[in-house]
Amino acid sequence: GENVEQHPSTLSVQEGDSAVIKCTYSDSASNYFPWYKQELGKRPQLIIDIRSNVGEKKDQRIAVTLNKTAKHFSLHITETQPEDSAVYFCAASIQAGTALIFGKGTTLSVSS
Amino acid sequence: GAVVSQHPSWVICKSGTSVKIECRSLDFQATTMFWYRQFPKQSLMLMATSNEGSKATYEQGVEKDKFLINHASLTLSTLTVTSAHPEDSSFYICSAGHGGSSYEQYFGPGTRLTVT
Repeated sequence: GENVEQHPSTLSVQEGDSAVIKCTYSDSASNYFPWYKQELGKRPQLIIDIRSNVGEKKDQRIAVTLNKTAKHFSLHITETQPEDSAVYFCAASIQAGTALIFGKGTTLSVSS
Repeated sequence: GAVVSQHPSWVICKSGTSVKIECRSLDFQATTMFWYRQFPKQSLMLMATSNEGSKATYEQGVEKDKFLINHASLTLSTLTVTSAHPEDSSFYICSAGHGGSSYEQYFGPGTRLTVT
């Protein structure tokens, strides 16, 4: 089955810096790659997603890139703010309506 | 938007008892729902896929006789933790999608289970 690896496990940046989180997946059939932000005790919140027919997607300060050949995708957050501090998870699924397989998560700390 | 609710939001039970958690899609129908478990400071681990009108599909290592799943309608799936033990204490989260060609999953708010 699918396996998703996520790095780093923790990331500390200064306010205003950029943060990059990387994930690799094992199943070449995977074609949907969402990123979630989760605050303590709350549900995961979708922040951006990308389908395999697209190489890059951007939404204001957040962008995701996908390299299908290498089977990896990355989350880029620019101009980080303290409120970006949270745990971020990448995930993958092979088709619409199937379960998401999550990476282990990255704890992002943004200090002011 | 699509809303998924869970009930209860938290529950404390004694070891050996059973606990039922409900997952509802409030404004859409879901033929498939998913149950995840999240231990402190860990990721969401898929436990099972709940299929309306048929048996659930469990992930490897998840005991189907311990975690009973019932998906009796297009808007409700239930997870019953039977003979709960302290090691079952966790955050249980369900998700559902619109189905068809939609990829996005909508998550419930989660249920914090503590077994004493």
